[in-house]
Amino acid sequence: DGGITQSPKYLFRKEGQNVTLSCEQNLNHDAMYWYRQDPGQGLRLIYYSQIVNDFQKGDIAEGYSVSREKKESFPLTVTSAQKNPTAFYLCASSKGRYTDTQYFGPGTRLTVL
Amino acid sequence: AQTVTQSQPEMSVQEAETVTLSCTYDTSESDYYLFWYKQPPSRQMILVIRQEAYKQQNATENRFSVNFQKAAKSFSLKISDSQLGDAAMYFCAYRPSGGGGADGLTFGKGTHLIIQP
Repeated sequence: DGGITQSPKYLFRKEGQNVTLSCEQNLNHDAMYWYRQDPGQGLRLIYYSQIVNDFQKGDIAEGYSVSREKKESFPLTVTSAQKNPTAFYLCASSKGRYTDTQYFGPGTRLTVL
Repeated sequence: AQTVTQSQPEMSVQEAETVTLSCTYDTSESDYYLFWYKQPPSRQMILVIRQEAYKQQNATENRFSVNFQKAAKSFSLKISDSQLGDAAMYFCAYRPSGGGGADGLTFGKGTHLIIQP
């Protein structure tokens, strides 16, 4: 059963801690993306990766880091430098760059205590 | 930079009626893609419909259809025979077709659709 999985579903972090959100896909998609959603807002692009071992900053990359060591995996680390990390985080993937439809995972809700 | 505007924060429709959600966008590109995504209370983003800008024919998917007006930069979603399961947030999104810009979706702020039984 192909799809995109994100874990954990809920994550709580103390101020000053780094946390890593997992995103895995078994769709054989080349491109993967991270978005952030705040209440009453649309999604905003954090980082994206079009091929393994390469990634690019999106509109709001400050305070975040990513890696793409495997085609199936694109983890997002929320660092202590991110001033307001409480949000809903969505991972997406697409078969190729630019032209293909992006499909989304179920999301991770991050709360900073 | 591209922008996407959804001017209706909330819409309400009676079950079985038709409703139209509005979306306008701003871009200097001639080739791009437009999408409508649905986000139910589970918060999973679900693709509703996709439109390629180079195609003049409006996309349709069962009860969902779009009115794409390229010159006006307008991309509205029509839902016919509304059902209770259509209740959700609906997001309009833009994606470039290339050209060196960021390869991500630009989203509007969403329209909350309420279905009255």
